[in-house]
Amino acid sequence: EADIYQTPRYLVIGTGKKITLECSQTMGHDKMYWYQQDPGMELHLIHYSYGVNSTEKGDLSSESTVSRIRTEHFPLTLESARPSHTSQYLCASSEYQLGNEKLFFGSGTQLSVL
Amino acid sequence: SQELEQSPQSLIVQEGKNLTINCTSSKTLYGLYWYKQKYGEGLIFLMMLQKGGEEKSHEKITAKLDEKKQQSSLHITASQPSHAGIYLCGAVTGANSKLTFGKGITLSVRP
Repeated sequence: EADIYQTPRYLVIGTGKKITLECSQTMGHDKMYWYQQDPGMELHLIHYSYGVNSTEKGDLSSESTVSRIRTEHFPLTLESARPSHTSQYLCASSEYQLGNEKLFFGSGTQLSVL
Repeated sequence: SQELEQSPQSLIVQEGKNLTINCTSSKTLYGLYWYKQKYGEGLIFLMMLQKGGEEKSHEKITAKLDEKKQQSSLHITASQPSHAGIYLCGAVTGANSKLTFGKGITLSVRP
């Protein structure tokens, strides 16, 4: 069982609110990722990090931001939520090993912006 | 165009039947990963294939990699209701590329 946790599990919020999705892992993994997934669609990488103070944007443009102040914590923030941000957000982590992309996923946060 | 094509899009089988699903890449594969997802939840790692011709098995699930065809197949023997879910393939298609995913195949197993 993967030791990676996401909170909240579900979030319904009004347009314009600031939100932070939490992601924590206890495996000591250096690499962490945020994916966005809509029903029936592929996962899209929106942010990743190779370690503390390292953050990069992924393949899909996103208005969200991330931070990596501690190894185990990789929160995602939306400054002003919009209905277009409604989606499932999945956090993942992996060991920093060349050629190894075995990811451990959290259970996801289902975000609905009204 | 999509980098990873999974087929079929969905599948319904009777319990006890064998089945095969496929994942085809439009680019050279550096690694192929299979994950399973229950609806609305995170992904669970199943298997990783990195060499052409490689075949791995776990319980009743076997995955193979055909490097020349840039394709992987996942075979389930004697399917059970516990096998139901969404099967996603992920691939690394460049030396410094990140993992990209297909849309997934929804498998239903009728008791």
